[in-house]
Amino acid sequence: KAGVTQTPRYLIKTRGQQVTLSCSPISGHRSVSWYQQTPGQGLQFLFEYFSETQRNKGNFPGRFSGRQFSNSRSEMNVSTLELGDSALYLCASSLAMASGSDTQYFGPGTRLTVL
Amino acid sequence: DQQVKQNSPSLSVQEGRISILNCDYTNSMFDYFLWYKKYPAEGPTFLISISSIKDKNEDGRFTVFLNKSAKHLSLHIVPSQPGDSAVYFCAATHQAQKLVFGQGTRLTINP
Repeated sequence: KAGVTQTPRYLIKTRGQQVTLSCSPISGHRSVSWYQQTPGQGLQFLFEYFSETQRNKGNFPGRFSGRQFSNSRSEMNVSTLELGDSALYLCASSLAMASGSDTQYFGPGTRLTVL
Repeated sequence: DQQVKQNSPSLSVQEGRISILNCDYTNSMFDYFLWYKKYPAEGPTFLISISSIKDKNEDGRFTVFLNKSAKHLSLHIVPSQPGDSAVYFCAATHQAQKLVFGQGTRLTINP
């Protein structure tokens, strides 16, 4: 079974631009979560989508948004990029089992550099 | 508010010996705990997990112990191998919602 895929793997943008990142979950997984990893802050939760609806949201400004399509693929958008948005953006998918024992599997990430 | 803490930023262990990575948490509502291994420029790879109804889970060389009263979990790797050198993150979740990660521990296995 194919793992979580993310595109592009690397991206360079300038301040003020916007960017869209894409994530394809493991087949059959209905939940997609996004995380930001920076050296200073570690892995921070951005948001989670389930059945095309945002189910959970972290403490990030409104410049960070996302969506999920009917095939569970997800996109994340960052508008008006700032230097501090430079990070590794990770997508994770899971079955979203109701039991609570739900393991998230991560993609390789998109390395975003803002100049 | 750091709900999940890994107090050791790094750990060095000799090949063949036991590696013990520790993690503390503050939120008693967490009901599922996971360990991930991460290489540079890659996404975290799931290693092992444990539900709050258990106190031990074993998978090959990896064993996770959970002490709910102390709000502490640990990952034991035995025997340690050079390929185990990576950053290890513990994570916790409540009712399958967002993962809360610790800051990570860099494990180095010396030959």
